[in-house]
Amino acid sequence: GAVVSQHPSWVICKSGTSVKIECRSLDFQATTMFWYRQFPKQSLMLMATSNEGSKATYEQGVEKDKFLINHASLTLSTLTVTSAHPEDSSFYICSARPTDREETQYFGPGTRLLVL
Amino acid sequence: AQTVTQSQPEMSVQEAETVTLSCTYDTSESDYYLFWYKQPPSRQMILVIRQEAYKQQNATENRFSVNFQKAAKSFSLKISDSQLGDAAMYFCASTGGATNKLIFGTGTLLAVQP
Repeated sequence: GAVVSQHPSWVICKSGTSVKIECRSLDFQATTMFWYRQFPKQSLMLMATSNEGSKATYEQGVEKDKFLINHASLTLSTLTVTSAHPEDSSFYICSARPTDREETQYFGPGTRLLVL
Repeated sequence: AQTVTQSQPEMSVQEAETVTLSCTYDTSESDYYLFWYKQPPSRQMILVIRQEAYKQQNATENRFSVNFQKAAKSFSLKISDSQLGDAAMYFCASTGGATNKLIFGTGTLLAVQP
């Protein structure tokens, strides 16, 4: 149980294009999902908290117009990197918090983004 | 604000031996949870073990156990009978408060020697 999927697992795009990453909780409902960014050999950095049916909450320093988050259902959150630039290249990880077990987060496998 | 500190950037253990990874934390919350996550080379974050702060009994999951010292704000992970598949980055994390955000430590890279 508690499986989270992410799609795509990796993506290469040209500078200036937008990229959408999906995060799905496969066997549980998640009112809250989280988006993290991880640089090589570093810890996870929380970017934003995604709440079903309401606006996401962004961490300080994260541009909300750059990283658009939509949490349209209890099993799906999407992160769109708009007008991507090479500095946006990174490993993006989502997590989902079960509605009935809100203290625990389960993570997706991550998405490697490379912007050329 | 919550903080989590892992003072061991790297550790090494012989296969079948026991290793302990250290973690300290600081929080003003009275109700919180502590976690150890494993991140192997695939980079998939895997929940290893979790501890409710209000429980005095140390959590155990097969070969993995914790030593939770609440007064000292210490939460170490013990891996017994280490296996090659245990080689990974291990992150200690805590959560609590209204937002229940996960606060991560900087990680400990564990190598298992055959």
